[in-house]
Amino acid sequence: AQKITQTQPGMFVQEKEAVTLDCTYDTSDQSYGLFWYKQPSSGEMIFLIYQGSYDEQNATEGRYSLNFQKARKSANLVISASQLGDSAMYFCAMRGRGNAGNMLTFGGGTRLMVKP
Amino acid sequence: NAGVTQTPKFRILKIGQSMTLQCTQDMNHNYMYWYRQDPGMGLKLIYYSVGAGITDKGEVPNGYNVSRSTTEDFPLRLELAAPSQTSVYFCASTKGSSGYTFGSGTRLTVV
Repeated sequence: AQKITQTQPGMFVQEKEAVTLDCTYDTSDQSYGLFWYKQPSSGEMIFLIYQGSYDEQNATEGRYSLNFQKARKSANLVISASQLGDSAMYFCAMRGRGNAGNMLTFGGGTRLMVKP
Repeated sequence: NAGVTQTPKFRILKIGQSMTLQCTQDMNHNYMYWYRQDPGMGLKLIYYSVGAGITDKGEVPNGYNVSRSTTEDFPLRLELAAPSQTSVYFCASTKGSSGYTFGSGTRLTVV
């Protein structure tokens, strides 16, 4: 079974500062993928960044980067230079290759609030 | 290219009523999913399908049914609505090795 844990229910960050959202995972698969999604108050799920378990480099997408530590089974999302529009729920999710349905398993989420 | 389309966007049901949440994708994706999201929580898998004619249960299937008669459509059926089914429902799809496309969600309230 796969499990995703996000231990920070809510976080505040000052505008223009960097913030790290924690994500740890548990899986017996050797090959898997890790995803981060943003969910603003409007409710849609917005894909942010992806990291494959065999990727040697940490993924980056603009202001988003993923701090992937495979041995520690962690995949933290780093947002640089926070903006007011970054206020939202953030979800970490995993897809395991041993999973025939290719489904995503989600963590419980972190609510990020950016202060002006 | 519409992606994943869910209807309706909002619905209020009375206890014991039935309804079908519609989900259609136009990307020829094999895999389709139904998730529910309770307030302040993550998404939980209800049912999934790996192709037309094939469906299987996810983590929280009780009270729901699905069918997949075509590649494009994956409706979710609630037979006897209960207050515990008040939630936001998301449909999603993927080709398999690519990313996932989510619908905009259906907010369901059972009173």
